Amino acid sequence: KAGVTQTPRYLIKTRGQQVTLSCSPISGHRSVSWYQQTPGQGLQFLFEYFSETQRNKGNFPGRFSGRQFSNSRSEMNVSTLELGDSALYLCASSLAPFGAGANVLTFGAGSRLTVL
Amino acid sequence: DQQVKQNSPSLSVQEGRISILNCDYTNSMFDYFLWYKKYPAEGPTFLISISSIKDKNEDGRFTVFLNKSAKHLSLHIVPSQPGDSAVYFCAARLEGGNTPLVFGKGTRLSVIA
Repeated sequence: KAGVTQTPRYLIKTRGQQVTLSCSPISGHRSVSWYQQTPGQGLQFLFEYFSETQRNKGNFPGRFSGRQFSNSRSEMNVSTLELGDSALYLCASSLAPFGAGANVLTFGAGSRLTVL
Repeated sequence: DQQVKQNSPSLSVQEGRISILNCDYTNSMFDYFLWYKKYPAEGPTFLISISSIKDKNEDGRFTVFLNKSAKHLSLHIVPSQPGDSAVYFCAARLEGGNTPLVFGKGTRLSVIA
């Protein structure tokens, strides 16, 4: 079956612009979570959605937002982009939300955002 | 405050030898640990996990050891192969909560032929 699909794979924006990233989870997976990966910082958790509800949010400013649709697809938006937002943004899906058993995440290939 | 630490940013190992990747954690409430492997231009993929009630879990060439008293886990790869060259992330889950996995910063393993 198809894996987690993230679009676009690469994008370049300038400071002050906004960006929307998309994630289509594995079919049947209802939980989607987002992570930011920067060099030397590992994977920093952004948010988790399950059944269109945000269940967890990481320690990021309000410029970072997200949502989940009824078909479990998710989008994240970053407004007023800053240079420090340049990163690989990873989406992961799972059958159940965090805390529901030994929940293994399946990641997409990521969207690499460069802010100039 | 980094709760999951991978203190070695990189590691080089000869093909055929053992690779040992280490991970330390500070929160005694973590009850489940996972290792993910990430190749360039791909997302992380799940490798192996261990519950806090065990001290060892093995899957083929990969073995994870957990020392709860030392709050330390390690991933052993034997024998190492060039295709194992990747970034390895250690992750931990808090007991009983609906909280996200906490990831370390990763260790880049290079297996030299």
